[in-house]
Amino acid sequence: GQNIDQPTEMTATEGAIVQINCTYQTSGFNGLFWYQQHAGEAPTFLSYNVLDGLEEKGRFSSFLSRSKGYSYLLLKELQMKDSASYLCAVMDSNYQLIWGAGTKLIIKP
Amino acid sequence: IAGITQAPTSQILAAGRRMTLRCTQDMRHNAMYWYRQDLGLGLRLIHYSNTAGTTGKGEVPDGYSVSRANTDDFPLTLASAVPSQTSVYFCASSDSTANPSPLHFGNGTRLTVT
Repeated sequence: GQNIDQPTEMTATEGAIVQINCTYQTSGFNGLFWYQQHAGEAPTFLSYNVLDGLEEKGRFSSFLSRSKGYSYLLLKELQMKDSASYLCAVMDSNYQLIWGAGTKLIIKP
Repeated sequence: IAGITQAPTSQILAAGRRMTLRCTQDMRHNAMYWYRQDLGLGLRLIHYSNTAGTTGKGEVPDGYSVSRANTDDFPLTLASAVPSQTSVYFCASSDSTANPSPLHFGNGTRLTVT
């Protein structure tokens, strides 16, 4: 079966760096997405990786290793507003998105 | 502001009742989706539509139906609601001609079936 694994919850300190991991087993691969979802709100798109390597976008970076079925989202200079859930999703060979359950990130002052 | 509008924002529904969740987008995206989100689970696809006039079943379609009469509207109907359909429902759209084609989500409908 298809599976996306990410930690349920993480805690980090304001101003620090945090890495949220995502491992996947899917039928084929057509890209990996990261979304941010604040409590009670809709998910919003953060990043997309389809080739191996690091994609940097401001304070957020996303890394992909297709051979390892692994991605991470790196958040730098954490701010209180970064407290949210981070969803990993993989597009399979049928171009369907398979979603992880999300990682709830708690930022402490 | 361009985006996706869902209605209602929340609803309490008696089991056995019929309910339609509305979704409208003004981005002229060809693809639209309905997801449900439950605590501890990833988003699960209920139904989708790749273009106006066509629909398809997702991972959890039972008990739900959709229609896509035009590009902008994609309503989701629960013919006879059951308590297991208590969830947060998100409508989303994407421009599948773009690569990548990230999803744009509405603000969700929180549905409680009693």
